[in-house]
Amino acid sequence: EDQVTQSPEALRLQEGESSSLNCSYTVSGLRGLFWYRQDPGKGPEFLFTLYSAGEEKEKERLKATLTKKESFLHITAPKPEDSATYLCAVVGDSGGYQKVTFGIGTKLQVIP
Amino acid sequence: NAGVTQTPKFRILKIGQSMTLQCTQDMNHNYMYWYRQDPGMGLKLIYYSVGAGITDKGEVPNGYNVSRSTTEDFPLRLELAAPSQTSVYFCASSYSGKGGYTFGSGTRLTVV
Repeated sequence: EDQVTQSPEALRLQEGESSSLNCSYTVSGLRGLFWYRQDPGKGPEFLFTLYSAGEEKEKERLKATLTKKESFLHITAPKPEDSATYLCAVVGDSGGYQKVTFGIGTKLQVIP
Repeated sequence: NAGVTQTPKFRILKIGQSMTLQCTQDMNHNYMYWYRQDPGMGLKLIYYSVGAGITDKGEVPNGYNVSRSTTEDFPLRLELAAPSQTSVYFCASSYSGKGGYTFGSGTRLTVV
């Protein structure tokens, strides 16, 4: 069974204090790893897809990286508007693309 | 673009009542999904559709039904509501079916 574990559950940063969120996964044959951002009372917003170890994607202050066992979402010089819950999800060979396993998320708070 | 539109945003149901959660997308996506999100748990797939007229069960389909008569609409029907169906429901769509979903803003349902 595919599994996703995100850590920490919650993270509080000062504005400008860079850090990383972790997504550890267990999957049979990774087809894709996805990062989403979710604001309170809203649906998840797609950020990145990573397909293979060594791949990196960037968007503004966010950079996602992937190894064979985990993914990191690096946040450089965060701003208060980066405060949100960040979700990680994986798709593996078992069950096809419809069987997306989501993590519980990391709740990030950036303090001015 | 409106993206994925869900209605209603909030609803309180009594045990045993029925209701339909509406979902419409204007991106001409073939793939559509219904998820539920509960505190401390990752998003769980209820039902999905790969095109008009085609639907299939996800991980937690019991107590729900869906239909897909058009590409745009994917309503979720709750029959005989139970307290266990208290949750936030998200509809999502995808062009390729390979992740990177566009989510709606959700329906918060309480069954009392």
